[in-house]
Amino acid sequence: GEDVEQSLFLSVREGDSSVINCTYTDSSSTYLYWYKQEPGAGLQLLTYIFSNMDMKQDQRLTVLLNKKDKHLSLRIADTQTGDSAIYFCAEVLNYGGSQGNLIFGKGTKLSVKP
Amino acid sequence: DTEVTQTPKHLVMGMTNKKSLKCEQHMGHRAMYWYKQKAKKPPELMFVYSYEKLSINESVPSRFSPECPNSSLLNLHLHALQPEDSALYLCASSQDPTPAYEQYFGPGTRLTVT
Repeated sequence: GEDVEQSLFLSVREGDSSVINCTYTDSSSTYLYWYKQEPGAGLQLLTYIFSNMDMKQDQRLTVLLNKKDKHLSLRIADTQTGDSAIYFCAEVLNYGGSQGNLIFGKGTKLSVKP
Repeated sequence: DTEVTQTPKHLVMGMTNKKSLKCEQHMGHRAMYWYKQKAKKPPELMFVYSYEKLSINESVPSRFSPECPNSSLLNLHLHALQPEDSALYLCASSQDPTPAYEQYFGPGTRLTVT
């Protein structure tokens, strides 16, 4: 299957950490991505992780990958009101290894309360 | 410069109209993509151009006609659309179509078909 699953909503208080979870289905996915979409806007690439890594940290963002369970998470430290958006997890669906196309999860709407 | 631009930002068209959406990138990317995103849904891939050749058409109706005049430009020609085609149309590009390269998205064109 090609379903990427995410919880639909997450609400946190400003200054707390946010953890957004995702499960994917294609065990051959080599890259997994997190995109952010603000209302009425396009998608902003936040970060990605290669499948041979367990963790990647980039400033306030930490990505954890559990390849055995096909579980990906995005942790945002010190969450700010500007982080309020929809966060999409995406895996790359390989077309015979020569071309990869993104399959997106349904998105998690993060609401940050002051 | 990681910018993908799209014009127009908004478009309203009748079912008998012909219009075109435009996408441009100057990052030297050789893969370009069209996605359709309905409200509260993730983006869905429509077309992929790889080195200016159409490489993937995800069973999109013929009333959507893509065109890649050169490596920097991608058009989507629209004709005889239906109200259910109203959506946000996102363009993306990547350095190469292989899975190793991340996709950068434009801000989208919000299309309303009346």
